[in-house]
Amino acid sequence: AQKITQTQPGMFVQEKEAVTLDCTYDTSDQSYGLFWYKQPSSGEMIFLIYQGSYDEQNATEGRYSLNFQKARKSANLVISASQLGDSAMYFCAMRGTGFQKLVFGTGTRLLVSP
Amino acid sequence: DAGITQSPRHKVTETGTPVTLRCHQTENHRYMYWYRQDPGHGLRLIHYSYGVKDTDKGEVSDGYSVSRSKTEDFLLTLESATSSQTSVYFCAISESTGGVVEKLFFGSGTQLSVL
Repeated sequence: AQKITQTQPGMFVQEKEAVTLDCTYDTSDQSYGLFWYKQPSSGEMIFLIYQGSYDEQNATEGRYSLNFQKARKSANLVISASQLGDSAMYFCAMRGTGFQKLVFGTGTRLLVSP
Repeated sequence: DAGITQSPRHKVTETGTPVTLRCHQTENHRYMYWYRQDPGHGLRLIHYSYGVKDTDKGEVSDGYSVSRSKTEDFLLTLESATSSQTSVYFCAISESTGGVVEKLFFGSGTQLSVL
């Protein structure tokens, strides 16, 4: 079974600074995938970034990067140069080998201040 | 835009009444999912489908049933709604490469209140 843990219920950051949102996972699978989603106050779920367990490079998408540390089973999201529009809930998720379904963490609420 | 439409967007119902939520996709994706979102729990999988008439249970399937008679439609039914089923319900489809899910796209959600 897969499990995702997000230990930060809330995070604060000032505009233009970088912020790291923590995510640890637990799985016995050798092949798996890790995801990050953003949920603004409007409620929609927005896909941000994906990392496969066999990908050698950390995934990056614009200002988002995934700091993948396989031995520590962590998949932290790094947002560089925070913007006011980054204020939202952020969810980490994973899928295991042979599974077409995702397991989600409980989320971290990020607030970006001017 | 992944072409996912959920209906209704909001619904208020009474305990004991049946409720059906609809998810419609225009992209011909094989896999479709129903999740519920509750504070402190994140998103939890209710049921998913891997083809027409092929469905399976997720981690919180009690009290829910699903049907998929066409590729584009995935229905979630609460046979007899309870207050504990008050939640936001999300439909999703998956985009895969070589059979491996690399993205999950979500609909806009349905806010269901059971009084």
